[in-house]
Amino acid sequence: DTGVSQNPRHKITKRGQNVTFRCDPISEHNRLYWYRQTLGQGPEFLTYFQNEAQLEKSRLLSDRFSAERPKGSFSTLEIQRTEQGDSAMYLCASSSDRATIGQYFGPGTRLTVT
Amino acid sequence: AQSVTQPDIHITVSEGASLELRCNYSYGATPYLFWYVQSPGQGLQLLLKYFSGDTLVQGIKGFEAEFKRSQSSFNLRKPSVHWSDAAEYFCAVLSSGGSYIPTFGRGTSLIVHP
Repeated sequence: DTGVSQNPRHKITKRGQNVTFRCDPISEHNRLYWYRQTLGQGPEFLTYFQNEAQLEKSRLLSDRFSAERPKGSFSTLEIQRTEQGDSAMYLCASSSDRATIGQYFGPGTRLTVT
Repeated sequence: AQSVTQPDIHITVSEGASLELRCNYSYGATPYLFWYVQSPGQGLQLLLKYFSGDTLVQGIKGFEAEFKRSQSSFNLRKPSVHWSDAAEYFCAVLSSGGSYIPTFGRGTSLIVHP
C-alpha cells in the first residue's frame, strides 16, 4: 500500500490555459473522488468514480472541468480555459466499497492561475 | 441534505492541556461520522470514524470522539495535546444509505502554545 499519489504537486498557469492533474489511488480501491479546497474551507466535492464509471458530478462543477478514469485505475482531472477563481488545492481520495472505511487522501495539487 | 457545522474556526491550547473540537451534523438517519486532520500543504488523514455500536470511538494519535444522537454532535477530544497536533481538523458526515459522498465541515484550526 503506497497510498494515494497526485501529480503534479504544484502547478502555476496563466489564465486561459488548460491544465491536467493525475491521481493514482490505492490499488484495491474501486472508488475515487475529486475535491477542491480553498483557504479556510473544507474539501468541496467535485466528482466521483466507481471503477471506470463516473457516477456523480457536483452541480457546481463548470463545463470547463472534466474527469476520466480509464480502466478504473488512475484518474485525470482537466480544467480548460482556466480562470483565476480556479486557484485552489485539488484533492483526490480513494476508498473501498465499504463506506465505513473512510477515504484515503492524496497530498493534493496546488493550482495557481495568474 | 446532510450538513456539518464546526462552530470554532480557531482553537488555541497550551501544550499538555486537554482539547475538545466541536462538530454538529444534520442528517435524518444514523450517519457515518469521521474526523480528519490536515497538516499544512498536505492531504487529509483519517483520525477516527463512527458508524454503529459504542458511541465513544478511539482513533489514532490518542484522539477519541463521542457520538451523541440527542445533540447531533460528534466532538473530538484529546486529554493532553502535543505541539505536533497543531493542524486543521475536519469533521465529515456520510449518509448511511445511497451516495457515498461525504460532506465536510469548514474545519477548525488548532494552535498549540508551548
